[in-house]
Amino acid sequence: SAVISQKPSRDICQRGTSLTIQCQVDSQVTMMFWYRQQPGQSLTLIATANQGSEATYESGFVIDKFPISRPNLTFSTLTVSNMSPEDSSIYLCSVERDRGYHTEAFFGQGTRLTVV
Amino acid sequence: AQSVTQLGSHVSVSEGALVLLRCNYSSSVPPYLFWYVQYPNQGLQLLLKYTSAATLVKGINGFEAEFKKSETSFHLTKPSAHMSDAAEYFCAVDRDDKIIFGKGTRLHILP
Repeated sequence: SAVISQKPSRDICQRGTSLTIQCQVDSQVTMMFWYRQQPGQSLTLIATANQGSEATYESGFVIDKFPISRPNLTFSTLTVSNMSPEDSSIYLCSVERDRGYHTEAFFGQGTRLTVV
Repeated sequence: AQSVTQLGSHVSVSEGALVLLRCNYSSSVPPYLFWYVQYPNQGLQLLLKYTSAATLVKGINGFEAEFKKSETSFHLTKPSAHMSDAAEYFCAVDRDDKIIFGKGTRLHILP
């Protein structure tokens, strides 16, 4: 398994500001993933963060809006930039363990963001 | 591309009744499938996973799921619902080393 710590657990932010979410894993992992869960919706993958390279963004997500850092194999940050009320969501960090024939995902507790 | 479809965004069952949450997958090859549960105000927790070792997969909290290739289904069941089972359940598939989630089904347990 993997222990994932996310900070902050929740925040209320003013529109137009930015929030950086931190994700710390208890062991080294190659890839870290950032998901968004909008109210009443499923999880949507924002991007995949590899250490030492730029993050890979999914369709509909761009680096200017969601810059990601991955300075080492146990840590990543996601910034939600120039926030609007539509960015109010739960943001989750995830890592996957390779089981040899499939991957298994583990999730942080999430960051509940409310933009006012 | 591999994906999953969950039928029913909300399911209500009486306490003690059978729980059945439906999930169908689309894939040209046998996928790796998962069920995750999200309790209110908590993170995601893996319930069970299918990795082709056995078609009937048993998970935590009395849940199980059966992989049926002929029906492209991976429905989640529990013989007797408990109030503590009230949560959001997500079917997911492993696609290109990424976990892709279905839209989720909220399970309500009626007393």
